[in-house]
Amino acid sequence: DVKVTQSSRYLVKRTGEKVFLECVQDMDHENMFWYRQDPGLGLRLIYFSYDVKMKEKGDIPEGYSVSREKKERFSLILESASTNQTSMYLCASSFRPQGYGYTFGSGTRLTVV
Amino acid sequence: QQQVKQSPQSLIVQKGGISIINCAYENTAFDYFPWYQQFPGKGPALLIAIRPDVSEKKEGRFTISFNKSAKQFSLHIMDSQPGDSATYFCAARRSGNTPLVFGKGTRLSVIA
Repeated sequence: DVKVTQSSRYLVKRTGEKVFLECVQDMDHENMFWYRQDPGLGLRLIYFSYDVKMKEKGDIPEGYSVSREKKERFSLILESASTNQTSMYLCASSFRPQGYGYTFGSGTRLTVV
Repeated sequence: QQQVKQSPQSLIVQKGGISIINCAYENTAFDYFPWYQQFPGKGPALLIAIRPDVSEKKEGRFTISFNKSAKQFSLHIMDSQPGDSATYFCAARRSGNTPLVFGKGTRLSVIA
């Protein structure tokens, strides 16, 4: 069964901490994405990557960065966590071209206190 | 601005009834329109998708209707069941190497 695995289901971090959210896929997908999901706002794209060491900003990149050193792993980094970054974070992956059959992870619910 | 507008935000349907969720878009460059289903505690999963060269696609109890001239598409769930209770997202993709853009979601509750 193909999978996108997010390293943590729940995280609680303090304001100002540097936070790493990890995502690993086992499908040899070229594309990987980070979304955040908030009630009433749907899924908003933070960053995405088409290939190793490549990254593109999404709609809401401020306060975030990403790293993709290996094809199967895409990390989201909150440089200095703030309370307005409390959210559900979803990682997804797909084959090229874009849009076909996104596979999502189960999400990481991050609370920043 | 929001590229894909989804309505309603929430929907309650009786068991056996028809659930209808609507989406509208402005960008005529969109060429792929999927729907995703998300159960509590899970990530969204692809449910059904359509391209603008067809007006309807059916898979089991789920049907997408597509109106290119009106720039609207909708999801119909026939014979709705309590197990269909979930959040549904419509999405769209421009041609070329661009990511999906999602609607804000519809929370569907099917009651017995």
